Amino acid sequence: DGGITQSPKYLFRKEGQNVTLSCEQNLNHDAMYWYRQDPGQGLRLIYYSQIVNDFQKGDIAEGYSVSREKKESFPLTVTSAQKNPTAFYLCASSMRETQYFGPGTRLLVL
Amino acid sequence: AQKVTQAQTEISVVEKEDVTLDCVYETRDTTYYLFWYKQPPSGELVFLIRRNSFDEQNEISGRYSWNFQKSTSSFNFTITASQVVDSAVYFCALSEAGNFNKFYFGSGTKLNVKP
Repeated sequence: DGGITQSPKYLFRKEGQNVTLSCEQNLNHDAMYWYRQDPGQGLRLIYYSQIVNDFQKGDIAEGYSVSREKKESFPLTVTSAQKNPTAFYLCASSMRETQYFGPGTRLLVL
Repeated sequence: AQKVTQAQTEISVVEKEDVTLDCVYETRDTTYYLFWYKQPPSGELVFLIRRNSFDEQNEISGRYSWNFQKSTSSFNFTITASQVVDSAVYFCALSEAGNFNKFYFGSGTKLNVKP
C-alpha cells in the first residue's frame, strides 16, 4: 500500500533529551514537510524539503533539526533546545500542489 | 495578517441536518490553490479537495459540496444530510504561486454531529 508512515505513535521525552520522529513515504514524492499541532490549534510548519539533501526552515524551526538523505525519509529531531515540545507532529509529502499527511506522532514530556 | 480565516470554531448539528463550514482567504496572487482537509479524532489529516484559482466551478462529491467565490474570497464547504462519521475538525488551506510548498492553514472548525 502506498502511503506515509510515522513512528512511533506516542513518544515520551525526558528533560534535556533529544528525540527523533520518523517519517517514511513510498509515494515517490519529491517534497516532504513537518508540522506541529497544539491542542485546539491549526498546523504550523517546522521544516520542509523539496529535494534530497536540501531543506528549508518553516515558521517555527527553532529547537528542531531535520535531514533528508533519502527521498523516502525525512526524520525530525526535537532537541533539548525546544523547551515546549509537547504537541502532535504531522509529516506530509507532495509531488505537486497537494500535500498528503501521515498518521502523526504525539510527543509528551515526562 | 491571517491568510485563511475559519471564523466558526465549533459547530454542533443533529444527524441529517445540512451544515456549511466557512473559509475566507486573503492573497494578492492571481494563481493560488485552496484545499479542504478533514481531521478525525485519530489525528491524520485527510485530503478532501483542491481548487485552483482559475476554476470557480462548484464541485459536488456525494454529500460534500464546495462553493468557491473569488468575488468574496471564500471557499465554503457544505455537508448535506450530515452523519455521525462526519464529526471531525475541518481545515481550509491556501498555497500561493510564489511557493506552492508553503501552506497557510486556517485554525479549523470542529464539527460535532449528534445522533
